[in-house]
Amino acid sequence: SAVISQKPSRDICQRGTSLTIQCQVDSQVTMMFWYRQQPGQSLTLIATANQGSEATYESGFVIDKFPISRPNLTFSTLTVSNMSPEDSSIYLCSARTGGSAEKLFFGSGTQLSVL
Amino acid sequence: GDSVTQMEGPVTLSEEAFLTINCTYTATGYPSLFWYVQYPGEGLQLLLKATKADDKGSNKGFEATYRKETTSFHLEKGSVQVSDSAVYFCALSGSSNTGKLIFGQGTTLQVKP
Repeated sequence: SAVISQKPSRDICQRGTSLTIQCQVDSQVTMMFWYRQQPGQSLTLIATANQGSEATYESGFVIDKFPISRPNLTFSTLTVSNMSPEDSSIYLCSARTGGSAEKLFFGSGTQLSVL
Repeated sequence: GDSVTQMEGPVTLSEEAFLTINCTYTATGYPSLFWYVQYPGEGLQLLLKATKADDKGSNKGFEATYRKETTSFHLEKGSVQVSDSAVYFCALSGSSNTGKLIFGQGTTLQVKP
């Protein structure tokens, strides 16, 4: 199994600022992902964080708004840029080990509130 | 595109009651199906899975059967405990097996003693 540490666990930010969320895995993983969970809604995949190259974004998400880094096999960051109240969500990091979708682990999430 | 629909919550039950949380899906091909659970203050954890039609996933007294004919994967438990109080997410992964998951909206379960 893999243990994922995500920080901060929560933050309250002002409109127009940016927040970087960090995700650290205790072992090397093949893939890392970032999800968003808006209030009362399901988890939505933002992007796949690729080690050493640009992230792969899902429809509706762009790099300028959600820049992602993954400098090595155990660490990734997600930045929420130029925040607005609509960005208030829980952001979740996940990591995949092995070759099957069921070996997918999640961090405990970052609760972001934008005023 | 692929999607997952769960019954709305919250679901409130007394201890030892029978639990059913409905989940239906829309997908092309043959997805794998999952139930994840999120206990208060913790990350999502895989509860059970099924990878093909008629498979039954089970764990901790929970069960779900992959029903292709009804495109459903309902979660059941015969006797819930207070410690089962959590948010439950149904999810699917496409046949491409990239590790991406599509989630339902989650169902909050509250079990009262």
